Amino acid sequence: EIVMTQSPATLSVSPGERATLSCRASQSVSSNLAWYQQKVGQAPRLLIYGASTRATGFPARFSASGSGTEFTLTISSLQSEDFAVYYCQQYNKWPRTFGQGTKVEIK
Amino acid sequence: EVQLLESGGGLVQPGGSLRVSCAASGFTFSIYAMSWVRQTPGKGLEWVSSISATGGSTFYAGSVKGRFTISRDNSKTTLYLQINSLRAEDTAVYYCAKHSSGYYPFIDYWGQGALVTVS
Repeated sequence: EIVMTQSPATLSVSPGERATLSCRASQSVSSNLAWYQQKVGQAPRLLIYGASTRATGFPARFSASGSGTEFTLTISSLQSEDFAVYYCQQYNKWPRTFGQGTKVEIK
Repeated sequence: EVQLLESGGGLVQPGGSLRVSCAASGFTFSIYAMSWVRQTPGKGLEWVSSISATGGSTFYAGSVKGRFTISRDNSKTTLYLQINSLRAEDTAVYYCAKHSSGYYPFIDYWGQGALVTVS
């Protein structure tokens, strides 16, 4: 099973600041990586697929990069609506696995 | 608009059974792979099971294999998860999820979830 490790577990950021989230896979997942945003009381929402392609509805302040085992999600200037939990997920091999999540909270 | 509406969650005793359903609309259900993903209270996401567009192929997480059965009725545009031999650790919100194609890539839409409580 591919283990996905996200860091940090919690990121405290002031509005307008930059946030950088990391996701590491225990073996290569190529570019078969997605990021999901989950707000309190809501279902997850697709944010990024193919490691770097932004999903419909998300603004350009969200960007992502990486391939193989190292991936990064960057939010260039945090807005109030961006405070949420972010999960990475590999869809390269079975079983599909998620990271444990990074909570982005208001500093 | 894609809509996934789960139903059938509830409180079940350990060892019991339950069937969770997901009514899909707003897309051509029969050409997309589908999955169930669960989230334990206050915890992260765990993939549970996936099924191909035709229903001919299924995949299960090791933690549920032999106890859970995923199925679909394309004529009713409904996805199912039959959960047997329930354990306390199966307590979770069960999300129905649509893949972006018929070949199990990333999930592009999620339902709002059905809470299953085993106690």
